[in-house]
Amino acid sequence: AQSVTQLGSHVSVSEGALVLLRCNYSSSVPPYLFWYVQYPNQGLQLLLKYTSAATLVKGINGFEAEFKKSETSFHLTKPSAHMSDAAEYFCAVSESGGSEKLVFGKGMKLTVNP
Amino acid sequence: GAGVSQSPSNKVTEKGKDVELRCDPISGHTALYWYRQSLGQGLEFLIYFQGNSAPDKSGLPSDRFSAERTGGSVSTLTIQRTQQEDSAVYLCASSLGTGLSTDTQYFGPGTRLTVL
Repeated sequence: AQSVTQLGSHVSVSEGALVLLRCNYSSSVPPYLFWYVQYPNQGLQLLLKYTSAATLVKGINGFEAEFKKSETSFHLTKPSAHMSDAAEYFCAVSESGGSEKLVFGKGMKLTVNP
Repeated sequence: GAGVSQSPSNKVTEKGKDVELRCDPISGHTALYWYRQSLGQGLEFLIYFQGNSAPDKSGLPSDRFSAERTGGSVSTLTIQRTQQEDSAVYLCASSLGTGLSTDTQYFGPGTRLTVL
């Protein structure tokens, strides 16, 4: 069965600092991997996804993530945090060629300090 | 165009009552999903509809939960005899149904259910 681990529930960075949100997955078959963002009082929005093409995936708002099979990781990064990045971020996995359902991590709340 | 809409946005009910939550997907999307977002639990998959195929109900937590999708569009999630542990935000998503490699699930704003 697939699972996603996002260690911790909250991360705080200063404006302009590097953002690094960790995600590790387990899957018995090659996975599809996703990062979603949820701004306060809004629905989830897709940031980026990995579907077995390039291992470095670029998404919206300057975010990117790198698929590392050897580490079973798909960490999300952004070089310079902006105040508007404050939100909750969810990593998700699905099996390629399998069900369309997504298995989500518990989420990580990002706070950006001025 | 309009995104996924859900109603009501908030629902407060008493333990033991039945509730119905509604989802209007994006027009033309053949796939529809329900997820539950509980405090500290992340998002859990509940049920998935794809066209006229039998729904994937593997995520429904108990037989008190059911969902239907009428005419391939609007979906209703019904929770019977609600319990306090059912309190959560219920999220609906829809997609074109072309497969995850090319498709994107678009989420609605959710219905916050509180069971007293």
